[in-house]
Amino acid sequence: GAVVSQHPSRVICKSGTSVKIECRSLDFQATTMFWYRQFPKQSLMLMATSNEGSKATYEQGVEKDKFLINHASLTLSTLTVTSAHPEDSSFYICSSREAGASSYNSPLHFGNGTRLTVT
Amino acid sequence: GNSVTQMEGPVTLSEEAFLTINCTYTATGYPSLFWYVQYPGEGLQLLLKATKADDKGSNKGFEATYRKETTSFHLEKGSVQVSDSAVYFCALLNYGGATNKLIFGTGTLLAVQP
Repeated sequence: GAVVSQHPSRVICKSGTSVKIECRSLDFQATTMFWYRQFPKQSLMLMATSNEGSKATYEQGVEKDKFLINHASLTLSTLTVTSAHPEDSSFYICSSREAGASSYNSPLHFGNGTRLTVT
Repeated sequence: GNSVTQMEGPVTLSEEAFLTINCTYTATGYPSLFWYVQYPGEGLQLLLKATKADDKGSNKGFEATYRKETTSFHLEKGSVQVSDSAVYFCALLNYGGATNKLIFGTGTLLAVQP
């Protein structure tokens, strides 16, 4: 089945540094990538939706200059947390849908998630 | 707006016990409903779905029925196994409008003991 590879699975960084999270679709082309964030005991919250070759669409309340999303190819999307602070510590997970598939019938394929800890 | 509420965990059961994880939703229009499962160290996987009222989604012994009158989509399994231990997420997708977005519940951790 379709696989989304997300790296790293865990990262610890110091406050003020930037962290890049990668999601690759291994055996399909992903025109759309969704980035979610989960706080402890809370729902997965959609942060942004990226489409290959165009700017990402951010959800209300998400700082686009802090969470930089790049979707330069049909198989790779990246999320960069810039100038990270302890409050950015969270679980980040990406998901995508195969190119040409409708949201009605096609499931999302999720990465394994990245646990970010900012010290 | 759209939202999903599911029971808090953790839910701890003995092997072969009956499982129910409650999920209720609030939505405008006619959403599709999903259950996703996340096994330890893995990403979310679609477990089952239902796209209209009274539909029953089923997979791997799990079932959930789309109940419009009670706005619910409770997950059930007659006899759980240790291998079912995971986090289960209820979600809805409301079509139309500017974007189609999955709205998730908080997730329920299920721990099955031998």
